[in-house]
Order: sequence, then structure tokens, then C-alpha cells
Amino acid sequence: EAQVTQNPRYLITVTGKKLTVTCSQNMNHEYMSWYRQDPGLGLRQIYYSMNVEVTDKGDVPEGYKVSRKEKRNFPLILESPSPNQTSLYFCASSFFTGPYNEQFFGPGTRLTVL
Amino acid sequence: KQEVTQIPAALSVPEGENLVLNCSFTDSAIYNLQWFRQDPGKGLTSLLLIQSSQREQTSGRLNASLDKSSGRSTLYIAASQPGDSATYLCAVSLYTGNQFYFGTGTSLTVIP
Repeated sequence: EAQVTQNPRYLITVTGKKLTVTCSQNMNHEYMSWYRQDPGLGLRQIYYSMNVEVTDKGDVPEGYKVSRKEKRNFPLILESPSPNQTSLYFCASSFFTGPYNEQFFGPGTRLTVL
Repeated sequence: KQEVTQIPAALSVPEGENLVLNCSFTDSAIYNLQWFRQDPGKGLTSLLLIQSSQREQTSGRLNASLDKSSGRSTLYIAASQPGDSATYLCAVSLYTGNQFYFGTGTSLTVIP
């Protein structure tokens, strides 16, 4: 089944404790992206990747890191999480860039930072 | 910076009614516009994608239109059903096609 998977689905952690949220897709997509969703603010793009070893900042990259060492994986790293990073996180991927960049989303990771 | 607005924030209609959801954006230099639905506790499901050169797309009971010059898109849902209850989001990508901006969504409830 074609899908985007994220792990973990739920995570409660404490301020300053490094964490990684994994994202994997099995569709051989070049493009991958991370978003956070907050009430009243909608989804905002954190980072995106056009292909292996090619990443770029989205709208709200502060406090996050990403890497793209393999085509299928795009982990999101929070080196020192803070309470304002409590949010619902989505990973997405797509086959093409440009006009037909139809994104497919993972199920989301709900992160709480205490 | 691109701003995407969806009005209304919430909508409640009786089953069988036709309805229109609105999406507006401030920068007309978009590459495409995509409509999604989001069910509680779940991810986003792509409904329709309209390329900047297109005016509309249709899939089943859904029809999405795009007017780039006025910065507007509408999602038309025909003969609404209780299963259509969800939050509907629109997203635009800029001319590079790599950065995306989302509206805050319209929460739709279809009453049986």
C-alpha cells in the first residue's frame, strides 16, 4: 500500500530533551516536507526536500533540523525542544515538483513538550 | 508573504444540500492550488489539485475552480452527505512549486 508513515504518533517529552520524529514513504517520491498544525494558524511549512541531500527552509524552520540521506526517509529533529513546539506535525511527499506537485500526507505526530 | 484565507470557518448544512467553500490568497503568482479534507485525528487527504494554467477540476461530486487574477478558489460539493463532514483545507504553492501555504480550513457538518 502506498503510504507515508510517521513515528511516533504521540510523544510527550520535556524541555531540552532531543527527539527525532521519523517519516518514511514507499512511493519513490523525490519531494518531502514537514508541517506543523496549530489551532487558528493552520498548517505551516517547516522544511522541505527536493531530493537526497537537498533540503531548504520553509516558513517556520527555527528550532528544527532535517536530513535527507535516503530518498524514502526524512526525519525531523528537535535538538532542544521547547513548549512552543507543542503541536501536531505532518510529513508529506510528492512525486513531482512544479505544477503537479500533489502532496500525500502521513497520519500526523502529536507532540507535547512540558 | 502569501496569506491564505478560508471563509466561513465553520458551516452546517442539511443532507442533500449543494454547498460552496471559499479560499482566497493574496499573491496570484501561484503554481497550483490543492484542496484537502482532514478528518479528526487523521492526516490530510488530497481531493483536487488545480494547476495555475487550469480553471477547474472535477472529481465525482466535487468541483474546484480557480481564478488566479482575483486570488480565489471555490470548492463546490454537490448533494452533500453526512460522510462529507470534515475540515476542508486549501493550499497554494508559490511559483517555485516547492513552498506551500495553507488556509485555516472550513469545518463542515452535514446533518442527516
